[in-house]
Amino acid sequence: QVQLVESGGGLVKPGGSLRLSCAASGFTFSDYYMTWIRQAPGKGLEWVSFINSRSTTIYYADSMKGRFTISRDNAKNSLYLQMNSLRAEDTAVYYCATVRGIIIEYWGQGTLVTVSS
Amino acid sequence: QSVLTQPPSASGTPGQRVTISCSRSRPNIGSNIVNWYQQLPGTAPRLLIYSNNQRPSGVPDRFSGSKSGTSASLAISGLQSEDEADYYCAAWDDSLNGWVFGGGTKLTVL
Repeated sequence: QVQLVESGGGLVKPGGSLRLSCAASGFTFSDYYMTWIRQAPGKGLEWVSFINSRSTTIYYADSMKGRFTISRDNAKNSLYLQMNSLRAEDTAVYYCATVRGIIIEYWGQGTLVTVSS
Repeated sequence: QSVLTQPPSASGTPGQRVTISCSRSRPNIGSNIVNWYQQLPGTAPRLLIYSNNQRPSGVPDRFSGSKSGTSASLAISGLQSEDEADYYCAAWDDSLNGWVFGGGTKLTVL
């Protein structure tokens, strides 16, 4: 069965950086598009970034452009999100998820990022 | 302010049928496809309805989706206490090249 396990979250100071990872198993990772979604505490879902299977197409939400970088390593069945210049408003649980067509399908359990001094 | 508008809350008693609406505020939500997600307390969202009205395997047929014009709806019949959760609609936005989510509806089973 599809399993997605995020890691790398934690407490970081404003202006700092963090790299999130998502380990995938139970499916052929290299065949799937992937995405990151986040959820601030007590708030709704917000899409963050998208990457296709070969890393040739990448999209970001406007508020993340220039600060976040999505990448993947198909040999390691892993998805990444490099987050720089972090702000308090980036505090959220970050989920990785598989994409089928334009459907966000399977979600990981999430990793919490807290940006605070 | 979300491109997709949902009521913030909904409620019903066990056995009742409840519906949650999702309406879009601009026309370039691609392909007219709306997906619904259920988020139980303290857990990750899971896909509940895709392509407006399709259920993934394992989702009970008490859950159904529909779409008409610029609005979509999620219906839950035979409401059960375990249906108490947050429900989100989502759609691909051609102008953003990304997904937009509704603000979420908190369903309370009275």
